Amino acid sequence: QVQLVQSGAEVKKPGSSVKVSCKASGYTFTSRGITWVRQAPGQGLEWMGWISTNKGNTDSAQKFQGRFTMTTDTSTSTAYMELRSLTSDDTAIYFCARDIDMDVWGQGTTVTVSS
Amino acid sequence: SSELTQDPAVSVALGHTVRITCQGDSLRNYYASWYQQKPGQAPLLVIYAENNRPSGIPDRFSGSSSGNTASLTITGAQADDEADYYCHSRDSSGNHRIFGGGTKLTVL
Repeated sequence: QVQLVQSGAEVKKPGSSVKVSCKASGYTFTSRGITWVRQAPGQGLEWMGWISTNKGNTDSAQKFQGRFTMTTDTSTSTAYMELRSLTSDDTAIYFCARDIDMDVWGQGTTVTVSS
Repeated sequence: SSELTQDPAVSVALGHTVRITCQGDSLRNYYASWYQQKPGQAPLLVIYAENNRPSGIPDRFSGSSSGNTASLTITGAQADDEADYYCHSRDSSGNHRIFGGGTKLTVL
């Protein structure tokens, strides 16, 4: 079955970076892009960006530009997102989802930023 | 503030029909999709491209759009439909994608 499996929870210090992985299975990885979404505690969903797994081009929300990078490794069908210069406001669950329609979701990765 | 506006909370009696709305200028030009999220779970796509249901989504869920408003209608709401619902589309510039603030649906 189609599945997205994300890496485990992370605890980070302010000012550091975090890299979350999202491994796809059950479909041809390069046929569908990957979207990243986050959800702060008790808050709504926030769209972060999308990456084409075929061509590598990206589209990201303006608020993250400059400290947010999305990449893919087609040899392992894995997408990655890296967020740098972390602050406590980046404490959230980070989700990957399949393509623009987000029809399949990963289980989420909790990232906690605390000194 | 979000460029897609949703009512924070809506309630519906069991078995009745409820409409959850999403307002935004971008909806005049772009389709909305809708996601259901239950506590502790990842979101679930229930409607895409305005009025299409993914496989496995009950037909009591439907979508529509008029002017700057997209709507998700649940006809004959069930207890299992109690959840947060988010609309999703492009922002007013059309360059990026955004979510609405979400609507908490309570089934009475």
